[in-house]
Amino acid sequence: DAGVIQSPRHEVTEMGQEVTLRCKPISGHNSLFWYRQTMMRGLELLIYFNNNVPIDDSGMPEDRFSAKMPNASFSTLKIQPSEPRDSAVYFCASSWLAGDGEQFFGPGTRLTVL
Amino acid sequence: GENVEQHPSTLSVQEGDSAVIKCTYSDSASNYFPWYKQELGKRPQLIIDIRSNVGEKKDQRIAVTLNKTAKHFSLHITETQPEDSAVYFCAAPTSGSARQLTFGSGTQLTVLP
Repeated sequence: DAGVIQSPRHEVTEMGQEVTLRCKPISGHNSLFWYRQTMMRGLELLIYFNNNVPIDDSGMPEDRFSAKMPNASFSTLKIQPSEPRDSAVYFCASSWLAGDGEQFFGPGTRLTVL
Repeated sequence: GENVEQHPSTLSVQEGDSAVIKCTYSDSASNYFPWYKQELGKRPQLIIDIRSNVGEKKDQRIAVTLNKTAKHFSLHITETQPEDSAVYFCAAPTSGSARQLTFGSGTQLTVLP
């Protein structure tokens, strides 16, 4: 297995633009997590899907953020409109056992909003 | 929900010495405690985990201890090497049906040659 795949790896955009981050979890994993990492706030959970259903989105900062998981092999995180404070590394992770087992992280997307 | 506190935030040790990182958690129902290592510019990766039915687990130079009564767990790295330099995160699961991990704030470990 190739592991968790994320795209793009780097994204530079201007304030106000729409940004879409993509994730392909490890085949067979039933849980998918989106995290945001910054120096100031550390590693924050944004949203968690189990069997393609959003279970907890309390970490999504604002209505500008939305996430979907249309099937077991694909998820998107969208920011519209983007703001400079959204600049961060966004990780997707997948797992067999939700919060009770190893989470496999993707390589991350480094987002810069100018 | 779960509250995880991690100390220290930075730690410098001489090569060959031991390093200890400590975490406390708030939810007494938590039963799974992983540690992740994140090298600069890389993704977090699991290095060791422990479940609540044991008090200690070792894997070569790395060990984790758990004290459920006091609600704290620690990462021990012996005979540190420069390649151990990284940020280390502890985590604990939230309670209830929405099982997910709450991560500590991270410890930047620097091993000085």
